[in-house]
Amino acid sequence: GENVEQHPSTLSVQEGDSAVIKCTYSDSASNYFPWYKQELGKRPQLIIDIRSNVGEKKDQRIAVTLNKTAKHFSLHITETQPEDSAVYFCAASISGSSNTGKLIFGQGTTLQVKP
Amino acid sequence: DVKVTQSSRYLVKRTGEKVFLECVQDMDHENMFWYRQDPGLGLRLIYFSYDVKMKEKGDIPEGYSVSREKKERFSLILESASTNQTSMYLCASSPPQGSNEKLFFGSGTQLSVL
Repeated sequence: GENVEQHPSTLSVQEGDSAVIKCTYSDSASNYFPWYKQELGKRPQLIIDIRSNVGEKKDQRIAVTLNKTAKHFSLHITETQPEDSAVYFCAASISGSSNTGKLIFGQGTTLQVKP
Repeated sequence: DVKVTQSSRYLVKRTGEKVFLECVQDMDHENMFWYRQDPGLGLRLIYFSYDVKMKEKGDIPEGYSVSREKKERFSLILESASTNQTSMYLCASSPPQGSNEKLFFGSGTQLSVL
């Protein structure tokens, strides 16, 4: 079946450095790729998303790139801050008969930003 | 702001018990989802519903069932709880595909089956 692979599982950076998380997906029909951030003890929240007709999207310190040919997409966080510490999940939309916007999630990356 | 409310934050049940997890959303969303979250496995879809009384299996439906009698409420049922169902359960809702697929999550229910 369809799946999303996410790497690395843990990432530790110094404050101010950049962090990159990578995901690959298997369903060539996927056309929507969101990223969710989950702080400790809290619910996942959407931080950025990209659609298949766009190669890159940026929102302040966060950017996402998409390579449809290679079926991979990445999250880039620049000038990391301690409040960026969280678990990050990538996801890809799955085509299906219900057409409900169903998502398949990656395994998650625990990002630690050291002050 | 969209609110997705799960009835319990923590729940402890015994093996073999029937368990109900309730989820309510207040934004008239068509789609509702139940995920379970386990370390190293990410969020795995158990069931989803795209309309009242409509449901479809996700990736790991075994041992679970769902009910959606009203648009705002989506219940997850563990017919006979087992220890391997100890997990964090997250409910989510979203508007119809094509408008905005953004998922709005509840706070989660940490279920422990002893």
